[in-house]
Amino acid sequence: AAGVIQSPRHLIKEKRETATLKCYPIPRHDTVYWYQQGPGQDPQFLISFYEKMQSDKGSIPDRFSAQQFSDYHSELNMSSLELGDSALYFCASSFGLADYNEQFFGPGTRLTVL
Amino acid sequence: DAKTTQPPSMDCAEGRAANLPCNHSTISGNEYVYWYRQIHSQGPQYIIHGLKNNETNEMASLIITEDRKSSTLILPHATLRDTAVYYCIVRGGTSYGKLTFGQGTILTVHP
Repeated sequence: AAGVIQSPRHLIKEKRETATLKCYPIPRHDTVYWYQQGPGQDPQFLISFYEKMQSDKGSIPDRFSAQQFSDYHSELNMSSLELGDSALYFCASSFGLADYNEQFFGPGTRLTVL
Repeated sequence: DAKTTQPPSMDCAEGRAANLPCNHSTISGNEYVYWYRQIHSQGPQYIIHGLKNNETNEMASLIITEDRKSSTLILPHATLRDTAVYYCIVRGGTSYGKLTFGQGTILTVHP
């Protein structure tokens, strides 16, 4: 079965640079969630989109922005990167926002900021 | 969202059942209990979820107490590949679908 695709899988950037992470949800899934997992920490919710509209927002820095496109893929844009942004970034998708619908995660993008 | 409490770590012998407990005493009537696991920095993997009734799928069983204040995830025949961090998550209410991860239980399956 098709899964959530994230690209790139690994990314190395310098401080103050920008990065763009991409997420391709499972076919027919219209909802995308982004999570950040720092070293030794648990995943933390950043932001979500349903039908191309932002549905919820967590502790996402103002330097980060995201959007969902007409084909339901999503991009997380990160600017003025800081050392503390080094983390795993996971995208998850589901069919709708309903709590009874499972959320499936991608393999993640490992971002390293030097 | 309701808070969950899990033991920080558990051990299990290969081939035996692994029973992972979770307390969620403040759960509301419309909140679901979800279980995910994460194997060494891979993406969290969905295991099972339920509202009131016990649930079973090809991976595991979920037993929810009648008062819904606690639940148990059962892996019937644990293998070494089941070694992972297991997260019990209560999802619903005003969550707009997001998952709030707590500390989880590190399950180690021994040969």
